Amino acid sequence: DVVMTQSPLSLPVTLGQPASISCRSSQSLVHSDGNTYLNWFQQRPGQSPRRLIYKVSNRDSGVPDRFSGSGSGTDFTLKISRVEAEDVGVYYCMQGTHWPQWTFGQGTKVEIK
Amino acid sequence: QVQLVESGGGLVKPGGSLRLSCAASGFTFSDYYMSWIRQAPGKGLEWVSYISSSGSTIYYADSVKGRFTISRDNAKNSLYLQMNSLRAEDTAVYYCARVSSSSWSPDYWGQGTLVTVSS
Repeated sequence: DVVMTQSPLSLPVTLGQPASISCRSSQSLVHSDGNTYLNWFQQRPGQSPRRLIYKVSNRDSGVPDRFSGSGSGTDFTLKISRVEAEDVGVYYCMQGTHWPQWTFGQGTKVEIK
Repeated sequence: QVQLVESGGGLVKPGGSLRLSCAASGFTFSDYYMSWIRQAPGKGLEWVSYISSSGSTIYYADSVKGRFTISRDNAKNSLYLQMNSLRAEDTAVYYCARVSSSSWSPDYWGQGTLVTVSS
């Protein structure tokens, strides 16, 4: 199975400052079709997860442009350019390349200092 | 707008059974793969199962294989998860999710239903 490892697991940030979350996979996430199926999800307190980013760097509809995804192969990053209060929650990376087994990272808890 | 509404959760004894349902609306249900994903209390996300748009292709996580059965009724726009031989470690919020075929990931999630396995 592909193991997804996120760091840090806890991220205290100051409002208005940037934040960055790393996600590493135990195997390359480049699919034989050339795509890289790496996704990012946000789970606010008491809510269901919401997809933010798909295929490494594509933002979902309605996702603020302060969120961006990057990376390749086995190393990926989610960046928040300026953290706002509504960004508090847990962020998960997830790989969909190695069908049929989806795997998620452990989650990174973002909180305001 | 896409809506997924789960139901059927509750308290069940170890070894017992439960059937979860997910009512879908706001999209052409029969065009999409669907999935169940769970989250144990205070823990991360774990994929459980998915089913193809026609129901002909099904996959399960090793942790539930042989005990859980996923199914769908496209005429009723509904997804199901039959859970048998339940264990304490199956205690979780179970989410129904639509699978995007272009990105191969869950693009919409329901609000979840809590399953508690305890004597």
